[in-house]
Amino acid sequence: DQQVKQNSPSLSVQEGRISILNCDYTNSMFDYFLWYKKYPAEGPTFLISISSIKDKNEDGRFTVFLNKSAKHLSLHIVPSQPGDSAVYFCAASDPWGAQKLVFGQGTRLTINP
Amino acid sequence: NAGVTQTPKFQVLKTGQSMTLQCAQDMNHEYMSWYRQDPGMGLRLIHYSVGAGITDQGEVPNGYNVSRSTTEDFPLRLLSAAPSQTSVYFCASGRRGQALNTGELFFGEGSRLTVL
Repeated sequence: DQQVKQNSPSLSVQEGRISILNCDYTNSMFDYFLWYKKYPAEGPTFLISISSIKDKNEDGRFTVFLNKSAKHLSLHIVPSQPGDSAVYFCAASDPWGAQKLVFGQGTRLTINP
Repeated sequence: NAGVTQTPKFQVLKTGQSMTLQCAQDMNHEYMSWYRQDPGMGLRLIHYSVGAGITDQGEVPNGYNVSRSTTEDFPLRLLSAAPSQTSVYFCASGRRGQALNTGELFFGEGSRLTVL
């Protein structure tokens, strides 16, 4: 049973436009959500997170939105740059075990010049 | 600043062989963990540790063993390798407060294991 789902395996966006990556979850006890970015042959790197008590968090070109009623979060990248081409993983943790991150399947983002 | 270092980067095993994947971090992080990444399944937690001498199971612990004798090292042992353990393995570490509260982790570059 996949508690965190990224239903789009891939996404292609033109350079300079907005990239929107989506993530759905089923466990209402999750209280922290994170996005990790992964380049080929490297480990994932932390990108941005959001607490369940917020609905938006911004960090430069990256914004994460959380809709708790819909159990949905999204990552917006504006403007998209070629270096953003990577696999993006959504992850979630509950109050009793942030060490037990639950990851989605990942979305491969390709930014086209 | 090395961060999280995993060795080996690549390994081929025959079914039934045993081996140890090494993980070391130089950031004095209390929390360490092992994940495996399989196509279409994201990363799944195998084992984790919140400090030296303390380990616990994650989502997919069967066939793996861990120990944490020092803060720096967290080796993952495959007891009797099976083809189902063919995967990419990632070690991660984090500060106890951050790792336990927000899940922010630092990952190694991964170890690709093939079991024939």
